[in-house]
Amino acid sequence: GQNIDQPTEMTATEGAIVQINCTYQTSGFNGLFWYQQHAGEAPTFLSYNVLDGLEEKGRFSSFLSRSKGYSYLLLKELQMKDSASYLCATSLGGAGSYQLTFGKGTKLSVIP
Amino acid sequence: GAGVSQSPRYKVTKRGQDVALRCDPISGHVSLYWYRQALGQGPEFLTYFNYEAQQDKSGLPNDRFSAERPEGSISTLTIQRTEQRDSAMYRCASSLAGRDVVHGTDTQYFGPGTRLTVL
Repeated sequence: GQNIDQPTEMTATEGAIVQINCTYQTSGFNGLFWYQQHAGEAPTFLSYNVLDGLEEKGRFSSFLSRSKGYSYLLLKELQMKDSASYLCATSLGGAGSYQLTFGKGTKLSVIP
Repeated sequence: GAGVSQSPRYKVTKRGQDVALRCDPISGHVSLYWYRQALGQGPEFLTYFNYEAQQDKSGLPNDRFSAERPEGSISTLTIQRTEQRDSAMYRCASSLAGRDVVHGTDTQYFGPGTRLTVL
């Protein structure tokens, strides 16, 4: 099975840096996704990590350590529009199913 | 189309009625997924298609839930004899990768969802 843990809520100041952690325990793990979901909207893809290390994409970076079952999403130069829920999800991959298993999400509030 | 579309966007029904939720994936996407999302939670996997073949239905809660994708494009999720506990946001996602995908590197694009309320 899969068990994904991430903080429920975080608050950060506009212009600052925030790190959202995610830990997982899964069998047959293949890769880790981060999605952003604004209130009342669909989740949208942010990043994907399959190998250990840091993936940088503009203001957003994502890190993965497979041996530790750990990932984080780093948001730099926070903007008010970054207020949203951030969902960590694992993918099993392999033959058959690429279903995503999501954590409960971290609600980030960016304050002036 | 430009993105994944779902209809209806809102559905209110009485307990015991059947409902059909429709998903129209991004043109050319061969994989289609159904998820259910409760308020304040992440999406929960229900079922998955490659083309018209249902590959995995392990997430369907019980036999009142079924899904089909007869021509490998539009999909319908049907809930029979609805119960109040079925109330949730039902989301569809599609991705380019199907049988050729390795290591699950395909990206799933989510639709706006259907908000189902069972009275």
